Amino acid sequence: EAQVTQNPRYLITVTGKKLTVTCSQNMNHEYMSWYRQDPGLGLRQIYYSMNVEVTDKGDVPEGYKVSRKEKRNFPLILESPSPNQTSLYFCASSRQGTFYEQYFGPGTRLTVT
Amino acid sequence: RKEVEQDPGPFNVPEGATVAFNCTYSNSASQSFFWYRQDCRKEPKLLMSVYSSGNEDGRFTAQLNRASQYISLLIRDSKLSDSATYLCVVLDSGGYQKVTFGIGTKLQVIP
Repeated sequence: EAQVTQNPRYLITVTGKKLTVTCSQNMNHEYMSWYRQDPGLGLRQIYYSMNVEVTDKGDVPEGYKVSRKEKRNFPLILESPSPNQTSLYFCASSRQGTFYEQYFGPGTRLTVT
Repeated sequence: RKEVEQDPGPFNVPEGATVAFNCTYSNSASQSFFWYRQDCRKEPKLLMSVYSSGNEDGRFTAQLNRASQYISLLIRDSKLSDSATYLCVVLDSGGYQKVTFGIGTKLQVIP
């Protein structure tokens, strides 16, 4: 089954404790992206990757890191989480091209206290 | 001005009604447009792409108006299962594939 998986699905952590949210896709997609979704603000792109070893900042990259060492994986790293990073996070992947469909993971609900 | 604007609603409509949403975008060079559907705090899923010539899929019709820089989604004969948030998505192609989501329009279909 074609899918994007994220782990963990729910996480409560404390300020400053490094964490990683994993994202994996089995569709051989080149393009992967991370979003956060907050009430009243919609989905905002954090980072994206157009292929292995190619990553770039989206609209809200501050406080986040990513890596793309393999095509299927695109982890999101919070080196020192802060309460303003409490949010719902989605990973997505798609083929390259002018018209494309993004496939989203189920989301990770992160709370930083 | 926001890059992509949508009326957040909610739009409360009776079953069987026809409802339309608009979404305006600010970048005249935007290339591709989509409507996604999102059920309560679940992942967004593609509903339909929006082509210059319009696009129809069953009860759903999407239109693009480049001159006025907006896209629209029309839902005919609304069903209870259509209750969801509808996200407008704009893609600026090129070396930087910037994807911008609207905040979404919430639709509640009432029996």
